[in-house]
Amino acid sequence: AQRVTQPEKLLSVFKGAPVELKCNYSYSGSPELFWYVQYSRQRLQLLLRHISRESIKGFTADLNKGETSFHLKKPFAQEEDSAMYYCALFTGRRALTFGSGTRLQVQP
Amino acid sequence: KAGVTQTPRYLIKTRGQQVTLSCSPISGHRSVSWYQQTPGQGLQFLFEYFSETQRNKGNFPGRFSGRQFSNSRSEMNVSTLELGDSALYLCASSLIPPGTDNTEAFFGQGTRLTVV
Repeated sequence: AQRVTQPEKLLSVFKGAPVELKCNYSYSGSPELFWYVQYSRQRLQLLLRHISRESIKGFTADLNKGETSFHLKKPFAQEEDSAMYYCALFTGRRALTFGSGTRLQVQP
Repeated sequence: KAGVTQTPRYLIKTRGQQVTLSCSPISGHRSVSWYQQTPGQGLQFLFEYFSETQRNKGNFPGRFSGRQFSNSRSEMNVSTLELGDSALYLCASSLIPPGTDNTEAFFGQGTRLTVV
């Protein structure tokens, strides 16, 4: 069965420090992976998707099929990056399977 | 353009009652998905509708049902409410099912249901 694991519930870093939010997945098919973000009192929104290999707000994520990982990275964290981050896997059954989420706190 | 709209935003119901939640997708979007978000279980997929047909269903009991109208608006119904149904219910719309061909799912702000 498909599964998305985000091992950290909370990640706290100082402004300007590098950030890595971990995501591992389990899926027998060809994965399509996404990162969603939810800022305080805002709706869940797409941050980036692996297929487009884009960088949004300085964040990047590389799909590593060997390690079944899709970690989200940013070289220098900003206070406005503080939010809840969800890794999601499209299973091909017309549904997204979400990880449990990681709360990122960027301290000044 | 207007985003995904969910009504009502907040709802308090008593055990045993039933409830109907509404979702208006972004204009032109034909796929509507529903998710349940709880602190314990996180975000879990309920079902997805496309062109008025339920195309997929998550692992929820039959008390959870839904439908989609010809204008793509969707409703979700929960009958015989239980305390454990208290959650934030999120609706997401996309042009085609989320994930296919790199399609993005746009989420509403959710309906917070409290069962007492």
